Amino acid sequence: NAGVTQTPKFQVLKTGQSMTLQCAQDMNHNSMYWYRQDPGMGLRLIYYSASEGTTDKGEVPNGYNVSRLNKREFSLRLESAAPSQTSVYFCASSTGTSYLQAFFGQGTRLTVV
Amino acid sequence: AQRVTQPEKLLSVFKGAPVELKCNYSYSGSPELFWYVQYSRQRLQLLLRHISRESIKGFTADLNKGETSFHLKKPFAQEEDSAMYYCALSPMDTGRRALTFGSGTRLQVQP
Repeated sequence: NAGVTQTPKFQVLKTGQSMTLQCAQDMNHNSMYWYRQDPGMGLRLIYYSASEGTTDKGEVPNGYNVSRLNKREFSLRLESAAPSQTSVYFCASSTGTSYLQAFFGQGTRLTVV
Repeated sequence: AQRVTQPEKLLSVFKGAPVELKCNYSYSGSPELFWYVQYSRQRLQLLLRHISRESIKGFTADLNKGETSFHLKKPFAQEEDSAMYYCALSPMDTGRRALTFGSGTRLQVQP
């Protein structure tokens, strides 16, 4: 049972570099999310996709773009990485309907130097 | 907009002591409240939800709409309860069911 799979697990970028974080779920969930986790700040929503083909900005979208490629996959792109984007990134999915339960990936630890 | 506040960053108790992790929220509509837990080296996972009114691993939480609180309680803490706990809210009255999390409370249960 894979659940939610994120790649890569660790990444070091130089300021200005770009990269894409990949996320895939095999639970046939409609909704998918990207969060960042910073010490003392909990999880903050970057982007949210309620269903295939739709995306909405969350609390901290600046500097990020997303693509809901299909129902399974939701990628997060950093076009020009900045040190302020050093964080742990979590992807999650949920049914998004009357019974809401989010399932999380294992996280990607990103360091921008 | 919704907000979830967890006032304590760290809560340290001894094994067998009662535990209460505080959570307050603000949302003008109808919220659904959750507690998520992250054990060391494990994924964030759902602990319980207010709608189910359940007890999981001895933990309970009651939604108090008057005080806009959803505190997590356990009468006797165990060492295996040590983890990071997050309170979360999702609107029930809109189509946008994204979860908003608090900043988390680290629970340390000492032997």
